[in-house]
Amino acid sequence: DIVMTQSPDSLAVSLGERVTINCKSSQSVLCSSNNKDCLTWYQQKPGQPPKVLIYWASTRESGVPDRFSGSGSGTDFTLTISSLQAEDVAVYYCQHYYGTPPMYTFGQGTKLEI
Amino acid sequence: QVQLQASGPGLVKPSQTLSLTCTVSGGSTSSTSSYWSWIRQPAGKGLEWIGRIYTSGSTSYNPSLKSRVTISVDTSKNQFSLKLSSVTAADTAVYYCARDPMKGGYFDNWGQGALVTVSS
Repeated sequence: DIVMTQSPDSLAVSLGERVTINCKSSQSVLCSSNNKDCLTWYQQKPGQPPKVLIYWASTRESGVPDRFSGSGSGTDFTLTISSLQAEDVAVYYCQHYYGTPPMYTFGQGTKLEI
Repeated sequence: QVQLQASGPGLVKPSQTLSLTCTVSGGSTSSTSSYWSWIRQPAGKGLEWIGRIYTSGSTSYNPSLKSRVTISVDTSKNQFSLKLSSVTAADTAVYYCARDPMKGGYFDNWGQGALVTVSS
């Protein structure tokens, strides 16, 4: 089974600072169907469902502010918030998809506070 | 924008079957470019994928839950459903329904979630 491990589990950052959250997979997350990394980042605020920020490791979802960016390849990935805003307080999850057989695996989450 | 709404009993007794329905609007469960999934989240914990269904009725389940899960689709009502049998307190969670747009294995639309408590 693929295991997704995020670091850190939590962090407290000042407004305007740069934030980096890491996600490591126990195996390559390359999608065989399109030769892209099937690695997605979500933001979840209290009482709300997760919201997709980044898919294919680095493609920003429509409407997501450009202060959010994703990078990495293979087994190591990073979500970066270039300048933390108050509304970015949330839990962030990475998620991998494996197609055969289908399986979606989430990291344990990283709680971001100010 | 596709909207999803999960509904069902909020309280289920241990050993019974949990049943939830997700109603889709702004999109179609007949779509050939979507998978429809159930995901759950115990209070204060992380996310666990339960399973998914395609418009044809083809299903895939998380191996850890496969023996207890059934997901079905009713395209005439634009709904898909979850049944989880032999529940215990460990199945207490918020249950989300979500759509995978078949672009790279991610969920672009989520319902608000339905809290299900397993208790006698």
